[in-house]
Amino acid sequence: GAGVSQSPSNKVTEKGKDVELRCDPISGHTALYWYRQSLGQGLEFLIYFQGNSAPDKSGLPSDRFSAERTGGSVSTLTIQRTQQEDSAVYLCASSPSTGSYEQYFGPGTRLTVT
Amino acid sequence: GQNIDQPTEMTATEGAIVQINCTYQTSGFNGLFWYQQHAGEAPTFLSYNVLDGLEEKGRFSSFLSRSKGYSYLLLKELQMKDSASYLCAVRAQWGGFKTIFGAGTRLFVKA
Repeated sequence: GAGVSQSPSNKVTEKGKDVELRCDPISGHTALYWYRQSLGQGLEFLIYFQGNSAPDKSGLPSDRFSAERTGGSVSTLTIQRTQQEDSAVYLCASSPSTGSYEQYFGPGTRLTVT
Repeated sequence: GQNIDQPTEMTATEGAIVQINCTYQTSGFNGLFWYQQHAGEAPTFLSYNVLDGLEEKGRFSSFLSRSKGYSYLLLKELQMKDSASYLCAVRAQWGGFKTIFGAGTRLFVKA
């Protein structure tokens, strides 16, 4: 079956521009996560959704970052006024509501801010 | 605060056994995961522990001690394709889903 998909796969943007990253989770998965991974580093938790609501936004680095999820499915992560330090791979994952809740990761969006 | 520690790098020989340790200090606990990540790829799930003890899954086993805040991943009969980063992750909320990842242990398997 279809896995988690993310778009775009690569994004190069100029400093100061806004970017929108999209995540399509596995159908039926109620939980959705956003992480950021800088080169050679671990995953940094940004936000997670349970259904359409985000119980924990504590990982968002600044108020330039926001995320939403509509219809319990697709999610978008928006970064306003991008800075060079925002350059990273942004990973989305989804998990089912039962069992071990293992996370299934998408291929990521590589963001480069010039 | 939330903290997960694991060694940065390890090297082992093909066919051998390697143990990757992880210690954690989190405000809550609702399960511990191990993921494998090959260079340039997304992480993939390996194991899950929520109760103390050993979970075995083929060549991979994972152990958890909640009282010690400690886990390890054991890889047996190492193969060259096991060269990857191994990420320890803790669901750090009682009854919740927020997941904190360690920085990962890069494992090199040599012939």
